[in-house]
Amino acid sequence: GAVVSQHPSWVICKSGTSVKIECRSLDFQATTMFWYRQFPKKSLMLMATSNEGSKATYEQGVEKDKFLINHASLTLSTLTVTSAHPEDSSFYICSATRTSGNYEQYFGPGTRLTVT
Amino acid sequence: GIQVEQSPPDLILQEGANSTLRCNFSDSVNNLQWFHQNPWGQLINLFYIPSGTKQNGRLSATTVATERYSLLYISSSQTTDSGVYFCAVGRNTDKLIFGTGTRLQVFP
Repeated sequence: GAVVSQHPSWVICKSGTSVKIECRSLDFQATTMFWYRQFPKKSLMLMATSNEGSKATYEQGVEKDKFLINHASLTLSTLTVTSAHPEDSSFYICSATRTSGNYEQYFGPGTRLTVT
Repeated sequence: GIQVEQSPPDLILQEGANSTLRCNFSDSVNNLQWFHQNPWGQLINLFYIPSGTKQNGRLSATTVATERYSLLYISSSQTTDSGVYFCAVGRNTDKLIFGTGTRLQVFP
C-alpha cells in the first residue's frame, strides 16, 4: 500500500504557457500533500504544503502566484506552473501522508518539466 | 531551521562490499526517514525510523535521537543499490527537511 502517482511524468512547454501536474494517492487518503522541486544533482527542496480544502502553505521564496496548488480531495492535489519560463525547468515531486498514521511521507515518481 | 548533513557525499563500491551512510542533524527530531532515489528519480521509502533500529533484508538503520544522528547500513551491496540515498527529518510537524544525499555507485 501507500502508492502515489504523478501525471504527466514529463512535459515540454513553451515560455509563457501554463502546465498542470497532478498528484494522486492511489490506495490511501492523504491528509496532507507536499510539493518539492529538485535541481540536477541536488537535494529536494520543499515548495509548499497542502491540506484538503485549505489554502496551501508556501515556503519562503516560493511565488504562490506562479505555483498554484489546489487540493480538491483527500486523494488529489495539483500544481500549476503559470506563465512558465526556462528557469522553471526542473524535476517536481509530490508526496503524501496518510490521514490515519504517523508522519511518514510517500513519494510520487516525479514530473520532469522543460520550458523552451 | 534544522540542518541535515550526510556523509560521505560520494561512495564507490565493488559488488559484495558493505557500507555505512551517516546522517547528522542539528536539533531534536521526531520524524526521520531514509530514501533511495533511483536513476529515474523515484524516491523509495527505506525506513521510517525516528529512533531505534530496524532491518529489512540487506539494509538496516539505527537512529540515536539523543545524539542526533542516524546510520544506514548496506550489506553485500549489489549494482541495483546504486543511486542517491537521502535522509530527511522533521520536528513536531509532517514537513521534512532533506539532507544533502550520498551518491552510491556499485560496480560489478
